[in-house]
Parts: sequence; C-alpha cells; structure tokens
Amino acid sequence: AQKVTQAQTEISVVEKEDVTLDCVYETRDTTYYLFWYKQPPSGELVFLIRRNSFDEQNEISGRYSWNFQKSTSSFNFTITASQVVDSAVYFCALYNQGGKLIFGQGTELSVKP
Amino acid sequence: GAGVSQSPSNKVTEKGKDVELRCDPISGHTALYWYRQRLGQGLEFLIYFQGNSAPDKSGLPSDRFSAERTGESVSTLTIQRTQQEDSAVYLCASSSRDRGLWTEAFFGQGTRLTVV
Repeated sequence: AQKVTQAQTEISVVEKEDVTLDCVYETRDTTYYLFWYKQPPSGELVFLIRRNSFDEQNEISGRYSWNFQKSTSSFNFTITASQVVDSAVYFCALYNQGGKLIFGQGTELSVKP
Repeated sequence: GAGVSQSPSNKVTEKGKDVELRCDPISGHTALYWYRQRLGQGLEFLIYFQGNSAPDKSGLPSDRFSAERTGESVSTLTIQRTQQEDSAVYLCASSSRDRGLWTEAFFGQGTRLTVV
C-alpha cells in the first residue's frame, strides 16, 4: 500500500529563516516518484519539485532544496531565506510506477514579516 | 486546451439532488485523477483512470459516487443523493508518460460544491 505522512500540521517562521518540511512515505514499488506541491490561499495547486526513486543526487533549485533518503523513506523539502509569499499549504505526493498519485495531509507554512 | 479545465467552478445544490462535475484533461494525457478536498484538509484520492485500464476506484467513499471517462478525454464525476458532508472542492488532475517517466500531475481549478 502507498502512504504519505506529513507529521507537521503547521509551521510558523519569521521572514528570512530557513524552513524544512518533512515527508515520510511508504511504498512497495522499487520505482516511484515523489513531488512537492504548493497550495497558496488562492487554492490552485502548484508543482514545485520532483524526485525519481532512481536519481542519485539531491538538488537545489533557487531557494528550494530537497533531501531524499531512501533508507528512511523520507523526502524533506527546505526553503532557504523564506519570504512572506511562501506562506501556503505544502503537500508531499507519491506516484507509483502505475501512475497512482497519493498526497500527504499537508503542512501549513506561515511566514511572518 | 492548455490546461486542465473543470466545470462548473461553483455548484450549490440541495441535499438529495444528483450533481455532475466535469473535467477536461490536457490533450494527450492518459492519466486522470479525481480528488476531494474538504475545507482545511488534504487531498483525498477518489478515483484514477489510466488509458484503457480498469479505473482504480479504491478511494470512492460510497456507492453514491461514480465516475466515467471517455477514452483519454473528458471525465465526469457523479454524486447521487448529495449529502451535506459531500460539500468540498473537487479537484481533477491529469498526467502522462514522457520517455517512460510520469510527468507531474497538472491540476484544474476545482469545482466548489456546496450542499444545502
């Protein structure tokens, strides 16, 4: 069975702080894909980053970076130098090889000026 | 179209009535998903269509919910005898394979359903 757990329900930081959002997943597939999406107050879901299970390295994209650890089934997402516009709900999601996409419960991030 | 289109954007219905929600995926996308998002909650998986395979209906909460998809195009989610707990935003998404890898899912703007 597939499952995605985001243990942090809400996080509050002050602007310019770094913040890490945690995600733990469960799957029996050997090939799978992990994503982070952002849902701002307007409601639309915005794709941020993806990671394939067979990728070797973690990456950085602008102020976003992610840490994929297969050994602990974790896919944590870090925003560096947070900004007020980063305030949103962030969802971690897992795709299996068959294409079924499951989301975690989301973490609400509040960045205060 | 350029993106996933859902209609209507808002729907208010009386308890007990049936409703149909429509989703137009991105052209060429073989996979289509329906999710339900209650206020302040996460995305609850409802159903998944992939090409000509039998749909994965494991997330449908009751037999009042059903969905259809014609080929690789439009999908309709039907809720019969609506209840107040059905009030939520219903989100549709589509994706495809690109050189053997799944693309990210692209989401529509959702249909906000209110059952009064």
